[in-house]
Amino acid sequence: GAVVSQHPSWVICKSGTSVKIECRSLDFQATTMFWYRQFPKQSLMLMATSNEGSKATYEQGVEKDKFLINHASLTLSTLTVTSAHPEDSSFYICSAKTAGGLYEQYFGPGTRLTVT
Amino acid sequence: GENVEQHPSTLSVQEGDSAVIKCTYSDSASNYFPWYKQELGKRPQLIIDIRSNVGEKKDQRIAVTLNKTAKHFSLHITETQPEDSAVYFCAASNGQAGTALIFGKGTTLSVSS
Repeated sequence: GAVVSQHPSWVICKSGTSVKIECRSLDFQATTMFWYRQFPKQSLMLMATSNEGSKATYEQGVEKDKFLINHASLTLSTLTVTSAHPEDSSFYICSAKTAGGLYEQYFGPGTRLTVT
Repeated sequence: GENVEQHPSTLSVQEGDSAVIKCTYSDSASNYFPWYKQELGKRPQLIIDIRSNVGEKKDQRIAVTLNKTAKHFSLHITETQPEDSAVYFCAASNGQAGTALIFGKGTTLSVSS
């Protein structure tokens, strides 16, 4: 139980274009999902907290107009990287807590974004 | 907000030796402390976790200890094996529904045979 999927698993896009990453909870409802970014040989850095039906909360230093987050249902959150640049190339990982869950976060497999 | 420090950044041991990784946290409200193992290009995998109402938890070769007063917790791996080689992350959160885990910077463990 508590499986989280992401799509795509990897994507290559050209500089200036936008790319959307989907995060789905497959067997549970997730009122809250989290988006992390991980650069090579670094840790997972929290980008934003996504709440179903409301605006996402972004961490300091994360541009909300560049990283658009939509959590339209209890099983789907999307991250859109707008006007991507090579420095946005990274491993993006989402995670979710079960409805009523307080502790454990369930992680998606990650999406490798390469901007050329 | 929460800040988690992790040491060492790299750790090399011989097969069969023990490995210890230490973390400190800043937010006294944090009450959940998981440890993750991450292999290259994969999602982090939960290996053990501890809540603030206990001081130690063990699962076969892996144990975690927590000192709430000092705000630090540690991962202990005994009888290390080459397959234990990976990056290990500690994390902390306050256990509220809308609060995310904050991660330490990670420790690259290398176990040589």
